[in-house]
Amino acid sequence: SAVISQKPSRDICQRGTSLTIQCQVDSQVTMMFWYRQQPGQSLTLIATANQGSEATYESGFVIDKFPISRPNLTFSTLTVSNMSPEDSSIYLCSVVLLGGRGEQYFGPGTRLTVT
Amino acid sequence: GNSVTQMEGPVTLSEEAFLTINCTYTATGYPSLFWYVQYPGEGLQLLLKATKADDKGSNKGFEATYRKETTSFHLEKGSVQVSDSAVYFCALMRAGGTSYGKLTFGQGTILTVHP
Repeated sequence: SAVISQKPSRDICQRGTSLTIQCQVDSQVTMMFWYRQQPGQSLTLIATANQGSEATYESGFVIDKFPISRPNLTFSTLTVSNMSPEDSSIYLCSVVLLGGRGEQYFGPGTRLTVT
Repeated sequence: GNSVTQMEGPVTLSEEAFLTINCTYTATGYPSLFWYVQYPGEGLQLLLKATKADDKGSNKGFEATYRKETTSFHLEKGSVQVSDSAVYFCALMRAGGTSYGKLTFGQGTILTVHP
């Protein structure tokens, strides 16, 4: 397995502002993803964070709203831009380990509340 | 497209009761199937997985068998404990190519076990 940390663990933000969430892994990984879990809902994939290139977004998510960076194999950031109350969710990063068997491991999540 | 459907919750059981949480899926190709668990106040953890038809995943007394003919991956445990109280998510990982690693989740089933 791997130790995955996310910062911040939670935040309360004003409408119209932006928040950047960091994800750090202690092992080499092949793939990193960002998911959203809205209150009482399941997880939805936002995008695949690609090392050194633009992220690949799922239908319904766009780069202007959720810019993502991944400068190296073990670190990624997700920014939630121009926030509205509808963005209140838990945001999770996940990884597939290099040399693993395809299992995906999740970070503890960042609980975001937009007022 | 790919989708996962879980039985409606919440599920409430007495300790030592038998547990079944139903999960069915729709997918192209041959996906891998997973059960994740989210204990109160904790992150998402991989519980078990199966990567091909008739595989049985097992962990911590939980089992699930990949049934291609019925497109199902039902989670079972013979005798639940209070400590099993959590939210359980069924998920599939799309098969190969650019979809590798991307998880599609069911809606989650809340399990509460009473002493």
